[in-house]
Parts: sequence; C-alpha cells; structure tokens
Amino acid sequence: KQEVTQIPAALSVPEGENLVLNCSFTDSAIYNLQWFRQDPGKGLTSLLLIQSSQREQTSGRLNASLDKSSGRSTLYIAASQPGDSATYLCAVQGGSEKLVFGKGMKLTVNP
Amino acid sequence: DGGITQSPKYLFRKEGQNVTLSCEQNLNHDAMYWYRQDPGQGLRLIYYSQIVNDFQKGDIAEGYSVSREKKESFPLTVTSAQKNPTAFYLCASSIFAPGRGGTDTQYFGPGTRLTVL
Repeated sequence: KQEVTQIPAALSVPEGENLVLNCSFTDSAIYNLQWFRQDPGKGLTSLLLIQSSQREQTSGRLNASLDKSSGRSTLYIAASQPGDSATYLCAVQGGSEKLVFGKGMKLTVNP
Repeated sequence: DGGITQSPKYLFRKEGQNVTLSCEQNLNHDAMYWYRQDPGQGLRLIYYSQIVNDFQKGDIAEGYSVSREKKESFPLTVTSAQKNPTAFYLCASSIFAPGRGGTDTQYFGPGTRLTVL
C-alpha cells in the first residue's frame, strides 16, 4: 500500500529565505506526483504536476523535482514571501488511478 | 467562469439525519472525486467516478453514498450510518486519460464543512 510522508509537519521561517519542502513515497511505481497548496478553510490549488518520465517542473518561484527510484520529491520555493504561508500537500498517483496524499506541511513565512 | 462549486459552505446535521452535499463542475471533466479531510489526517478518498452512471468506492466509503446521473454533477450523501461525519469535505474533478495512467491534474472545489450537532 502506497504511503506518502511529509516531514516536518510545520515550518516557520523569516521572509526571503529559500525553502525546500520534502515528500517521500514508499512505492516507486507511480504515474505522476502533484504538489498542492491549501489556504485555511479553502480547497486545494494545484501548483505543479510531474509525470513519472520527468525529473522536474518549474512555475515562477516554485521548482519541483522527482526522483522515482529513491521515492522522493522536493518542492523548492525561492525568496519566500508572507503570501506563501499555507499548507503544502504532496500526492502521488499510481496504478490504482487514485491520488494518495501526504498529511501536508504547514508553512508560515514571517515578515 | 469555469470551475468546481460546492454547496453549502457550512452544513449542520442532527443525529440520525441524512444530508446531501452538492458538487458541480463546468470543466467538462469525466472524473470526479469526493475526499474527507480531518485535522492531522490528510485527505482520504470516499468515492470516485470516471464516467456517468458509474462510481467506485474509495478508502472510507462506509456511511456514504453517491450518484452520477450527469457528467457535471456528483452529489455526496452522508447517511446516519456514518458515525463520525464531522469533517471538511472536498470535491475534485479531472480529465480521465486511461492512456496516461488514468488521470490528469485534479481541480478542487472550495469545500463544505459538516458539523454534527
């Protein structure tokens, strides 16, 4: 059974820092990996999707990498801003066609 | 304006009542999903549907029911058999692409917060 882990569960940093968020998964047989953002009391917003054949994806200040063989992905946030404060969730899709989510990491960027 | 809508935003249920949560999408997506989110638990899949008039149980389907009579609508009923229904419920949709491992990016609605009184 696929398990997705995000450590740490929470992170508080000063504005301007470059950040690395980690995601690990137990079964490397995945089709894709997705990173989402969730603001308090809101739905999820898709940030980046990496297909299994890709190594990384970039969108603005965000860069996500995927190492399928080691079961790891990282989300890199450059020059963090208070508006980046949210919970970030990682999810993988495997052969069952369903997404398996991590529990998320709550990020606080202090001005 | 394309997207996914969920209603109501807040819902209160008395013991023994069935309640129905609405989810509508105008993205022309084939696949739709219902998730439950509890504090510290992440998202857990309740039901999903890849085509009209067909749906599959997810990981925590007990006490819930769904229907998919129209492509754009996927309502979720929380029955009295669900013993702990207080949670945040999220609906999502995606293009169903069997040749690419099944699905593409999932798009989420704003959620419904259900509270049992």
